This record gives sequence, C-alpha cells and structure tokens, in this order.
Amino acid sequence: AQKITQTQPGMFVQEKEAVTLDCTYDTSDQSYGLFWYKQPSSGEMIFLIYQGSYDEQNATEGRYSLNFQKARKSANLVISASQLGDSAMYFCAMRGDGGATNKLIFGTGTLLAVQP
Amino acid sequence: DAGITQSPRHKVTETGTPVTLRCHQTENHRYMYWYRQDPGHGLRLIHYSYGVKDTDKGEVSDGYSVSRSKTEDFLLTLESATSSQTSVYFCAIREEANYGYTFGSGTRLTVV
Repeated sequence: AQKITQTQPGMFVQEKEAVTLDCTYDTSDQSYGLFWYKQPSSGEMIFLIYQGSYDEQNATEGRYSLNFQKARKSANLVISASQLGDSAMYFCAMRGDGGATNKLIFGTGTLLAVQP
Repeated sequence: DAGITQSPRHKVTETGTPVTLRCHQTENHRYMYWYRQDPGHGLRLIHYSYGVKDTDKGEVSDGYSVSRSKTEDFLLTLESATSSQTSVYFCAIREEANYGYTFGSGTRLTVV
C-alpha cells in the first residue's frame, strides 16, 4: 500500500531564513510522482512543485525546491528566504502508477508559521 | 486554469438528511476525484471517476455515493448525513497534459 508520512505537525521559521519540511513515502511502484501543495488560511489548495520518480535532478520552482532522495524514499520541501506569506499548511502527496486511476494520496500536513 | 467549480461553498444540514455536492469542470478532463479534509488526517480520497459512468471507491467511501452522467459534472451524495461527515470537501481533476492536479475551492459541510 502507498503511504505518505509527514512527521512535523507544526514548524516555526524566522522571516528570510530557509526551512525544510519533511516528507517520506512508501510505494512499490517503479513510476510515481511526488507533489507539494500549500493551503493558506483561506483554504484553497495551491500546487507548488512536482518531482517524477525518474527525474534525476531535484525539482525547483522559484524559492521552492524538492530534495528528492529516492533510496531513502524522502521528498523534502525546501523553502528559501521565507516570507510572511509562506505561513500556511503544507501537504506532501504522491501519485502512484495506478493504471486508470492515478489517485493522489496525501500526508497529514505541516503547519508552517513564519515569524517576523 | 482548469475551470473547476464546487457548489455550494458552505452548507449546514441536519443529521439524516440527504446532501449532494457538485463539482463542475469546463475542460473535459477525464479524471475527477472527491476528497475530504479533516484535522490530523490531511486529504482522504472518497470516490473517483475515470470517465462518464465510470467511478470507483476511495479509502473513505462508506456513507457516500457518486455519479457522473456528464463529463463536466461529478456529484457527491451523502445519502443520510451524519455528524462524522462534517468536513471540508474538495473536488480535483487530473490534467492529462501535464499530469498535474487542480483542486476546487472546497465545500464546507456542517452536519448538526
């Protein structure tokens, strides 16, 4: 069975510092995808970054990067130069090689608070 | 923008009443999903659809049914609402072009 684990229920970071949000996953699929979503207090789910299991380089999108360690089955999100607007819930998610379904499964999330 | 709309945005209903939530998309995406979000659980899959009249259960499907009679609409029905179904419900589509997923704005359902 596929599973996503986020072990940090909440984190604090000072403005302008970098922060790493942890995510580990479990799957027997050879082909899979890893996603990070941001959910601000307004409630919408905002896509941040994607890493495919066959991608050799870590994904980056602006201040977001995904530290992908395949052997360790980890896909940590790194946010550089944190901003107050980064305060939100962050979800790690995985899409397996599920045939016709390609369902996304989610971790329980990490609530990030950026302090001035 | 995937053009995905959920309705209603908020609803309060009484225990035992039927409730239907609607997810509407404008771009003919094949795959649609219903999730519920609860504190401490993240988002959990209720049901999904991979085409008109093609649906299947997710991990928390008990008490829910779905229908997809048209590509653009995916309906989630609570046959007899219970307090444990108080939650925020998200619809999502999978975009075939880039394998990304886009979520609707969510429906906050309260069962009293």
